Amino acid sequence: EVQLVQSGAEVKKPGESLKISCKGSGYSFIIYWIGWVRQMPGKGLEWMGIIYPGDSDTRYSPSFQGQVTISADKSIRTAYLQWSSLKASDTAMYYCAIARAGSYNFDYWGQGTLVTVSS
Amino acid sequence: QSALTQPASVSGSPGQSITISCTGTSSDVGRYNYVSWYQQHPGKAPKLMIFDVSNRPSGVSSRFSGSKSGNTASLTISGLQAEDEADYYCSSYTSTSTSPFYVFGTGTKVTVL
Repeated sequence: EVQLVQSGAEVKKPGESLKISCKGSGYSFIIYWIGWVRQMPGKGLEWMGIIYPGDSDTRYSPSFQGQVTISADKSIRTAYLQWSSLKASDTAMYYCAIARAGSYNFDYWGQGTLVTVSS
Repeated sequence: QSALTQPASVSGSPGQSITISCTGTSSDVGRYNYVSWYQQHPGKAPKLMIFDVSNRPSGVSSRFSGSKSGNTASLTISGLQAEDEADYYCSSYTSTSTSPFYVFGTGTKVTVL
């Protein structure tokens, strides 16, 4: 069974750093792209970026380029999304999802990680 | 990159059919047959319902179907059921001069009357 298990909810202050994770199991980790999707409170889905763990090829949405860093450690089947300096506007639910290499849809999704940034 | 345009809401009675549109441009929906549709119930993660315009993943009801014409893709739900009440998002592969990536639609709330 394919599973994407994300790290737990976080409450942070503006200016703090954060790294959230997404651990995959039940599939061949290195042949699927792992993407990150933001959903702000009461809003729609926004594609942030994607990484291919096989060779760490990473692509970012122009809206998120320079704002976040996506990485992966294939030895532990885990992808990461990190911020160096959080803003209140980063408050959102963040989902990881996987897309098989050569396909252009997210077949499976993690349960989401809620990030709250408040002073 | 602008989001794909969807109607904010669509409603129908049980048993009826409804169609949700997803309008993009010649750089995304109109150029690639890589349109997907996702269903999201409140407080839950999205679920893939349709991929590559009109294909259903294993386990998805045949009541869900997809199509595309020009720059507009559509999701049709036939035999509407109470459990279909959810938010629906389209997505398309796209490309710009800088980098290929994806774009989601604005989302449609489906209400079963």
